[in-house]
Amino acid sequence: NAGVMQNPRHLVRRRGQEARLRCSPMKGHSHVYWYRQLPEEGLKFMVYLQKENIIDESGMPKERFSAEFPKEGPSILRIQQVVRGDSAAYFCASSPQGRENIQYFGAGTRLSVL
Amino acid sequence: AQRVTQPEKLLSVFKGAPVELKCNYSYSGSPELFWYVQYSRQRLQLLLRHISRESIKGFTADLNKGETSFHLKKPFAQEEDSAMYYCALRSGGGSNYKLTFGKGTLLTVNP
Repeated sequence: NAGVMQNPRHLVRRRGQEARLRCSPMKGHSHVYWYRQLPEEGLKFMVYLQKENIIDESGMPKERFSAEFPKEGPSILRIQQVVRGDSAAYFCASSPQGRENIQYFGAGTRLSVL
Repeated sequence: AQRVTQPEKLLSVFKGAPVELKCNYSYSGSPELFWYVQYSRQRLQLLLRHISRESIKGFTADLNKGETSFHLKKPFAQEEDSAMYYCALRSGGGSNYKLTFGKGTLLTVNP
């Protein structure tokens, strides 16, 4: 089991461009969480998804951010029209059905907005 | 609203000395607490959970509801314990295990 895979590891975008961050959960895991970490801060919850469903998006900014976890393929966190303040490390975690209290984290994607 | 506070940004001890990483929380419901660790160049990983009352790598943590604390302790620190430690609180319900993290404490164990 390769663990939670996130790509790209580093992403550079100019202001106004779109950023797409991918997360492939561990095999057999059906729960995905996205967190954002700003410099000098702890991880902050953004969204919790199960296959084809957004369960909790209370931590997502109201505009420009969206997430999906399709039936097939990775979970995607999409940021439209990026601004400098979006520069951060974005972490994905997955957990299996029945053991939701154990989250396995990916290595993160570091987004830099120029 | 839930909150996790780790008052020490940096903690430095000598090998063999006891270590305690502090964590305080604020939560209106029944808390579930975790410690995560991130070693250099590695991903964040779960160290221990309060509900399992286990000892991992010599570390223990006891939930003190009266003091709303979940401090991480180890009687004899080792150099390989040097890492970033995050305390986290579960703030979702049902199958939702979204976590609220503290800002982390960087532990350095000196030889």
